[in-house]
Amino acid sequence: QVQLVESGGGVVQPGGSLRLSCVGSGLTFSTDGMHWVRQAPGKGLDWVAFIRYGTNNQYYADSVRGRFTISRDNSRNTLYLQMNSLRAEDTAMYYCANNVYDFPTNWGQGTLVTVSS
Amino acid sequence: EIVLTQSPATLSVSPGERATLSCRASQSVSSYLGWYQLKPGQAPRLLIYDASNRASGIPARFSGSGSGTDFTLTISSLEPEDFAVYYCQQRSKWPLTFGGGTKVEIK
Repeated sequence: QVQLVESGGGVVQPGGSLRLSCVGSGLTFSTDGMHWVRQAPGKGLDWVAFIRYGTNNQYYADSVRGRFTISRDNSRNTLYLQMNSLRAEDTAMYYCANNVYDFPTNWGQGTLVTVSS
Repeated sequence: EIVLTQSPATLSVSPGERATLSCRASQSVSSYLGWYQLKPGQAPRLLIYDASNRASGIPARFSGSGSGTDFTLTISSLEPEDFAVYYCQQRSKWPLTFGGGTKVEIK
């Protein structure tokens, strides 16, 4: 059974940084592409970033490109999202998901990021 | 980026009735469209991928259709657990994008 567990969320001031982690089990982590998707309070789903297996090619939403970096450590079955220059509009629940069927398929329960002074 | 527009924003349906949700893309996404279900406090669940394929474990009452720019998610007979918010998402072009969602509520 696939399980993804996110951590690292919290309260951070505007302009600050945070690193999210996502640990996977029950999946072949090293061969799955992985996504980060977020949901701001009262809003819809918002895709953030994707990293391919193998080539480690990365793709980003325009709103986070240049500020966020997605990476992975296959030896630890862990996905990361380094978030810099955080803004109030980055406040959201952040989910990781693996890429079965070429869509975000199995999702974690999320970790909450609040950007506020 | 490709904009996905979902309609209606809210759909009021009685249990046992049929629900039809729409997703329209600002340009062709071929068949590269998925549907998700989201309930409060739960992780999103992929229902349909590539327009018409049910993901593993998804009941047969959920079906998807369409191609190009117009897509439909149909729930043939609503069960109490189906009242939720539904999102479409395209994987045709980067960046991936989601629609704004349709809330299916009890009538």
